[in-house]
Amino acid sequence: DVKVTQSSRYLVKRTGEKVFLECVQDMDHENMFWYRQDPGLGLRLIYFSYDVKMKEKGDIPEGYSVSREKKERFSLILESASTNQTSMYLCASRWVGTEAFFGQGTRLTVV
Amino acid sequence: AQTVTQSQPEMSVQEAETVTLSCTYDTSESDYYLFWYKQPPSRQMILVIRQEAYKQQNATENRFSVNFQKAAKSFSLKISDSQLGDAAMYFCAYRSWGNTPLVFGKGTRLSVIA
Repeated sequence: DVKVTQSSRYLVKRTGEKVFLECVQDMDHENMFWYRQDPGLGLRLIYFSYDVKMKEKGDIPEGYSVSREKKERFSLILESASTNQTSMYLCASRWVGTEAFFGQGTRLTVV
Repeated sequence: AQTVTQSQPEMSVQEAETVTLSCTYDTSESDYYLFWYKQPPSRQMILVIRQEAYKQQNATENRFSVNFQKAAKSFSLKISDSQLGDAAMYFCAYRSWGNTPLVFGKGTRLSVIA
């Protein structure tokens, strides 16, 4: 089975902290994605990566950055966390041309 | 840019009955994929069904089937013989060919009444 693992299921951080959300997949997928999920807004794309060291901005990249130094790992970075970044974050990965597989989500609360 | 619209924020169905969730999308492309994902309370997104736009035949997976109307840009999901375990958020999603991300609708919350 494909496994996409997010480092934390729940996270509480303080305003202004630098926050790292980690995502690891074990199926050698080329593409990886970070989405943010908010009630009534569905899933919105933050960043995606189609290969190591490659990244593309999604619909809502402001306040976020990403890193992909190895194929299996895609990190989402909140440079200076703010309360409006309190949300559910979902990581996904896939081979080109197939469906995406998702992690279990990280519920981040910024206080 | 492509958009996906789910016009029903919430739906309910009696156990063992049939329910249809609606989805429309906007695109100028002719080749693309469409998906329905299920997100139960556990938050794990699970692929329910997938449709390639070039295929005229509607996809079916056990109790789940789609009605794909390419000209109308409509992609509805039918759940037959609904079960309590079908209660979840359902997301419709679109993807172009190649290294492109999924574009999601806002979701439909389905309740199943025993």
